[in-house]
Amino acid sequence: DAGVTQSPTHLIKTRGQQVTLRCSPKSGHDTVSWYQQALGQGPQFIFQYYEEEERQRGNFPDRFSGHQFPNYSSELNVNALLLGDSALYLCASSPGTGDTGELFFGEGSRLTVL
Amino acid sequence: GQQLNQSPQSMFIQEGEDVSMNCTSSSIFNTWLWYKQEPGEGPVLLIALYKAGELTSNGRLTAQFGITRKDSFLNISASIPSDVGIYFCAGPYAGNKLTFGGGTRVLVKP
Repeated sequence: DAGVTQSPTHLIKTRGQQVTLRCSPKSGHDTVSWYQQALGQGPQFIFQYYEEEERQRGNFPDRFSGHQFPNYSSELNVNALLLGDSALYLCASSPGTGDTGELFFGEGSRLTVL
Repeated sequence: GQQLNQSPQSMFIQEGEDVSMNCTSSSIFNTWLWYKQEPGEGPVLLIALYKAGELTSNGRLTAQFGITRKDSFLNISASIPSDVGIYFCAGPYAGNKLTFGGGTRVLVKP
């Protein structure tokens, strides 16, 4: 049973560029959430997707957008990259949108912005 | 969002000893969660607590949901080298948004 898978694992971009990160949820899970983890800090909630719609959003600018596909996989897009966007981007999946907080995380995509 | 404060920020463990860490918030949480993150990995859920005063164990790990609902504690008994990692407390707010503390980094005493 595959867990949450993310791609790419590492990538380097320059300021102003755009990036797309991908996530496949754990089998049987239909909800995907994205988190940003800066070095030395805890993860911060970006947004959550369920039934192909953004259901909840954290305190992130509109440069951060996402999408969920019918097979429940998801993408995170970040436009006009800033140096401060350098971080580990974590995808987490869960069954349904219940507020238990019990999430399964992928290994993350480490983004470096130069 | 809500803010969770973890202490200590880091600690050294010696094999066989018991260690503890805690997490506090200025706001009430109805659920407390403890995750562990190892290098190159995403966080993994260790323990979930749903009721004030609840004490829950998972192997050598024991966590408690504070009576005030504003704090939680995690204890590790009889430490082993694989306990090294970063331990995060977390709580859901406004639905399923999960807020994390800054983490307690557990290192092995040289």
